[in-house]
Amino acid sequence: DGGITQSPKYLFRKEGQNVTLSCEQNLNHDAMYWYRQDPGQGLRLIYYSQIVNDFQKGDIAEGYSVSREKKESFPLTVTSAQKNPTAFYLCASSQQGRQPQHFGDGTRLSIL
Amino acid sequence: RKEVEQDPGPFNVPEGATVAFNCTYSNSASQSFFWYRQDCRKEPKLLMSVYSSGNEDGRFTAQLNRASQYISLLIRDSKLSDSATYLCVVNVPNSGNTPLVFGKGTRLSVIA
Repeated sequence: DGGITQSPKYLFRKEGQNVTLSCEQNLNHDAMYWYRQDPGQGLRLIYYSQIVNDFQKGDIAEGYSVSREKKESFPLTVTSAQKNPTAFYLCASSQQGRQPQHFGDGTRLSIL
Repeated sequence: RKEVEQDPGPFNVPEGATVAFNCTYSNSASQSFFWYRQDCRKEPKLLMSVYSSGNEDGRFTAQLNRASQYISLLIRDSKLSDSATYLCVVNVPNSGNTPLVFGKGTRLSVIA
């Protein structure tokens, strides 16, 4: 089945630690996205990539980093510089910018 | 003015009722419009695209009013399973970030 896989489902971070969230898609989509959602809030864009080896900052990129070395993969690193990382992280992909986005089932990140 | 605005609700309606949500957008050049559904603690899922002439999918009807720059979602014969948050999504041409912008959502509770 085609889809987007995010892992892990739950992740705990210690103070000062970097953690990486995985996102893989087999939909052959060009564009991939990372969002953050806080309780009761809307989606906020962290980073997006429209093509391999290229990515752009979204509205809240500080404290995060990404890479796009393969079309299928768009991992997100939450660095120690992100002081309030507890949130629901969603990865999405689309064929191109104007097409609807399809989401993975998310990763919940908490601070220990 | 925000790019995409929705009434956050909640809309509390009895089973069998008809309910409608509106969403306004600020960029008159927008061309792609979607409604997503998000269940509590889950990822958003595409409900339907919105076409210029309006479109229907079962109990759901989506309409676009370009002159007033809003889209609407009408749900007939509401079911308990329709309880969710409904996200309005619009493309924003020449946006500095991703072309698709998500509204913060309208919460619907269908009550027995």
